[in-house]
Amino acid sequence: QVQLVESGGGVVQPGRSLTLSCAASDFTFSTYAMHWVRQAPGEGLEWVAAISYDGSEESYADSVKGRFTISRDNSKNTAYLQMSSLRAEDTAVFYCAKGGERYSHGSTYINSWGQGTLVTVSS
Amino acid sequence: DIQMTQSPSSLSASVGDTVTITCRASQGISIYLAWYQQKPGRVPKLLVYAATNLQSGVPSRFSGSGSGTHFTLTITNLQPEDVATYYCQKYNSAPRITFGPGTKVEIK
Repeated sequence: QVQLVESGGGVVQPGRSLTLSCAASDFTFSTYAMHWVRQAPGEGLEWVAAISYDGSEESYADSVKGRFTISRDNSKNTAYLQMSSLRAEDTAVFYCAKGGERYSHGSTYINSWGQGTLVTVSS
Repeated sequence: DIQMTQSPSSLSASVGDTVTITCRASQGISIYLAWYQQKPGRVPKLLVYAATNLQSGVPSRFSGSGSGTHFTLTITNLQPEDVATYYCQKYNSAPRITFGPGTKVEIK
């Protein structure tokens, strides 16, 4: 059973930075693309970023491009989302998610989700 | 950018009914379309990928169809546990992985 455990959420002031981590287990992490998806309170799902299985390609939603950076460490089975210049509208539950196809460069559906970590941007 | 729309935004149906949710892409996306179910307070769950492929473990009352710009998710014999918000997602190319706005399904 795939396990994805996010950490690093919390309350942060506007303009500050925060890094989320996603610890993965029970699957071959290094062969799957990973995604971050967020959901603002009472709102729908918004795809944020994806990284290819080998870390060679990254992709971002326009709303976070230039402010967020996705990365991964295949030796640690962990994905990351570095968030900077945070805004109130970034307040959301952030989900780490696993791509559904092996050796994808990012354009995949998602077949496993973590439980999410809440990021609140507020002064 | 390719935009995704869903209709209706919400619906109410009776147990046993057949429900159809439509997802449209503003440009063709072949069959790179997935459907997710998110029950209240829960994590999203993959139902269908590649437009028509049912994810393992998903009840057969769920089915997906379509290609290009028009897709549907059909729930036959609607059950109380199907109360949820359903999202389509296109994944034909990064960086434009996009979710639809969602369709909320309730029981009458």
